[in-house]
Amino acid sequence: EDQVTQSPEALRLQEGESSSLNCSYTVSGLRGLFWYRQDPGKGPEFLFTLYSAGEEKEKERLKATLTKKESFLHITAPKPEDSATYLCAPSISGAGSYQLTFGKGTKLSVIP
Amino acid sequence: SAVISQKPSRDICQRGTSLTIQCQVDSQVTMMFWYRQQPGQSLTLIATANQGSEATYESGFVIDKFPISRPNLTFSTLTVSNMSPEDSSIYLCSVDSGTGTYEQYFGPGTRLTVT
Repeated sequence: EDQVTQSPEALRLQEGESSSLNCSYTVSGLRGLFWYRQDPGKGPEFLFTLYSAGEEKEKERLKATLTKKESFLHITAPKPEDSATYLCAPSISGAGSYQLTFGKGTKLSVIP
Repeated sequence: SAVISQKPSRDICQRGTSLTIQCQVDSQVTMMFWYRQQPGQSLTLIATANQGSEATYESGFVIDKFPISRPNLTFSTLTVSNMSPEDSSIYLCSVDSGTGTYEQYFGPGTRLTVT
C-alpha cells in the first residue's frame, strides 16, 4: 500500500532560522512528487514538482529536493508570511491514474 | 494557472439532507477532481470527473453518496447526499494543468458542517 509520511507534524521557527521539512514515501512507480502550501481556510497552492532522484527546485526561500525514498523542503531564513501547512503528494504511474497521495502535512509557524 | 471558484464557500446543513457544491474554472480543462479533507487529516481523492463520461470513484466512495456531474469543460458539481455529521469536511475541487506534468490546481474549498 502506498504511504506518505511527513515530519515533523508541526514546526515553530524564529524568523531567519532555517530548517527542513521531510516527506517520506513508499510508492511503486513514482511519476512525480508534488509540494503544496495550504493557508488556513484556503485550497492548496502548488509549489514544486520533482520527477527524479537528485532533482532540485527553488522558489524564493524554498528549495525542494528528491531522493528515491524521500523529499525535503528546505526553508532558508523564513519570514512570518511563510507560516502555512506544507503538503507533499507523490503521484504514481498507472494507466489513467492521476491520483495524488497526500501526506498530513507539516504546519510551519514562523515567529517574528 | 487556472482560476477556480467554488460555491458555496461554507454551509451548515442538517443530517439527512443533501448539498450540491459547484466548481467553476476560468478555462477549459479535461480532468477535474474532487477531494475531501477531514479535520486534521490529509486530502483524500473522492473521484475523477471527465467531461462526457461517468466519474471514476476511488475506493470507499460511491456514486449514490457522492453523485458528480460534469456537463462541460469548465464546470462540475459534487453532491453530498443523505448527510451525517461524519460528512463534515472541507470539499475541494482541482483541475489538471493540461501541460502533461500531472500538476493539479485547487479551488478554495467548501467547508461543510453537518449537525
